[in-house]
Amino acid sequence: GDSVTQMEGPVTLSEEAFLTINCTYTATGYPSLFWYVQYPGEGLQLLLKATKADDKGSNKGFEATYRKETTSFHLEKGSVQVSDSAVYFCALSDQGAQKLVFGQGTRLTINP
Amino acid sequence: DTAVSQTPKYLVTQMGNDKSIKCEQNLGHDTMYWYKQDSKKFLKIMFSYNNKELIINETVPNRFSPKSPDKAHLNLHINSLELGDSAVYFCASSSLYNEQFFGPGTRLTVL
Repeated sequence: GDSVTQMEGPVTLSEEAFLTINCTYTATGYPSLFWYVQYPGEGLQLLLKATKADDKGSNKGFEATYRKETTSFHLEKGSVQVSDSAVYFCALSDQGAQKLVFGQGTRLTINP
Repeated sequence: DTAVSQTPKYLVTQMGNDKSIKCEQNLGHDTMYWYKQDSKKFLKIMFSYNNKELIINETVPNRFSPKSPDKAHLNLHINSLELGDSAVYFCASSSLYNEQFFGPGTRLTVL
């Protein structure tokens, strides 16, 4: 079945550092790919998405590019802030299945 | 003007009890979902309803019974609660094949 693998956390960085959170996927079809963020004590919010190969999703300084050849959707940000501290989830949705399959989540902590 | 709302936010109960969690969305979506997030933050789909019809049921014990009285509501009833049911339960909604919007979650603790 479909699956998503994220880099293990937790990840701790200093403010203004460069962030990469790796995400790879396995899918039989042509899934849409997502990054969701969960701030402490809150629900999940969609951060960005990409629906086809080579699409780049971006939001709030975060970017991720849908790489079909490497089955990856790595999340990047050039300069992180303390307010970016949260748990980040990579996910895919096979349109035929209509469900989201999540990675295990990566906890990110940014220190001032 | 909350998009997807859930009640209650916290639920503490004894083993063996029956409890319900309610979900409502005001986005006009036709598809609603229940996800379970365990203590390690892993998220997994439980159920999905489209226009009040069950379309996904992911190997969930039959103690869990979703009910959709209309397109804007999807409630989750749990019978004979067990310790392992302790988790955060998230409701979500979407238009078919579009991005999902999540509720704030219900933290269930079974003692």
